[in-house]
Amino acid sequence: GQQVMQIPQYQHVQEGEDFTTYCNSSTTLSNIQWYKQRPGGHPVFLIQLVKSGEVKKQKRLTFQFGEAKKNSSLHITATQTTDVGTYFCAGPTRQAGTALIFGKGTTLSVSS
Amino acid sequence: DSGVTQTPKHLITATGQRVTLRCSPRSGDLSVYWYQQSLDQGLQFLIQYYNGEERAKGNILERFSAQQFPDLHSELNLSSLELGDSALYFCASSVAPGLSNEQFFGPGTRLTVL
Repeated sequence: GQQVMQIPQYQHVQEGEDFTTYCNSSTTLSNIQWYKQRPGGHPVFLIQLVKSGEVKKQKRLTFQFGEAKKNSSLHITATQTTDVGTYFCAGPTRQAGTALIFGKGTTLSVSS
Repeated sequence: DSGVTQTPKHLITATGQRVTLRCSPRSGDLSVYWYQQSLDQGLQFLIQYYNGEERAKGNILERFSAQQFPDLHSELNLSSLELGDSALYFCASSVAPGLSNEQFFGPGTRLTVL
């Protein structure tokens, strides 16, 4: 069945270090979304990528969508303690509707 | 605050029981989604409703059912509960398909089955 995989599962960094999480889909995606969930919180939408090879930046966060539209990455430059949380990528399910299939997420911890 | 509300926040019940989780979407959002989040399975899509009609079904068990009412709020009914149903249940909403795919998640209902 359709799968979205993310690596690594966990990442611990020192404040100021960079962080990258990778997302791979078993199928070509029409778009990919990224969400962040803080500890004890709910997923919050970060961004959507639609075009092949698209790169988008939000301050210290850089998002990429692969040329084949099957993979994506999120890179955080100079992490801060506020970046702590779990980052999920998600793509549309194959079914009708606009539901999402989520990767299992990468949990980032940052020590100061 | 996403604008999506869910009640109750916590629910503790026993195996074999039935519970109802409630969700009110953001004002103007027509789509409601239910997701289950557990440590081993991650965030799993259960079911989607759009303007009162079922739109898509995911990994929803037959013991689970949902509906969306004319005022667009939604309820997720879980019956014959098992220990493995303990999880965080999120409701999310979005505007009409084709306008934006961004989903807004509620704070979740934590269900504990003892």
